[in-house]
Amino acid sequence: KNEVEQSPQNLTAQEGEFITINCSYSVGISALHWLQQHPGGGIVSLFMLSSGKKKHGRLIATINIQEKHSSLHITASHPRDSAVYICAVRSTGNQFYFGTGTSLTVIP
Amino acid sequence: EAGVAQSPRYKIIEKRQSVAFWCNPISGHATLYWYQQILGQGPKLLIQFQNNGVVDDSQLPKDRFSAERLKGVDSTLKIQPAKLEDSAVYLCASSLLRAPIHFGNGTRLTVT
Repeated sequence: KNEVEQSPQNLTAQEGEFITINCSYSVGISALHWLQQHPGGGIVSLFMLSSGKKKHGRLIATINIQEKHSSLHITASHPRDSAVYICAVRSTGNQFYFGTGTSLTVIP
Repeated sequence: EAGVAQSPRYKIIEKRQSVAFWCNPISGHATLYWYQQILGQGPKLLIQFQNNGVVDDSQLPKDRFSAERLKGVDSTLKIQPAKLEDSAVYLCASSLLRAPIHFGNGTRLTVT
């Protein structure tokens, strides 16, 4: 069993749609990260959060520590949002665990 | 701020050959990670350094993989000899403690 589970694995949306990607984890964490990976590209850190909610432009990340769950929302999705979104947690032992990613395709 | 630098960007070798990857982390980042990412999967940690000491190498196939970070800055990851299943992207990342993790662009290795 993976320490970090993401859903869905694949997601296709029409431009303008509201998108939600979910992440559940089973270890004690000091922080949760949402990462973005474009095809052939490196990985970019979108958010690091340990409680509550963060917003950056059209992206919103929330975390519920009690339920060990986080969501990444994209409002007014755009084709340039097409990428793989990875949830990762830093455990209290300072180790990183990664989800397998959600592949998002936004169609114009 | 300069990002995490990795080289080479791509490498193609035959099985049983050797290969080495280089990583220069962000200046001041004490923690350095090497990850292996096979197509369609999330990154898998190979080794984690804190300065020049190894924190976690439990998933490093030590019979063929080795890594070092001699002066606590740059790091090299070596595979000797390579197998077909080693074909993957090798990602280097660095971070400060309790801070966002920064990834390099990776080295895409193809073993034929």
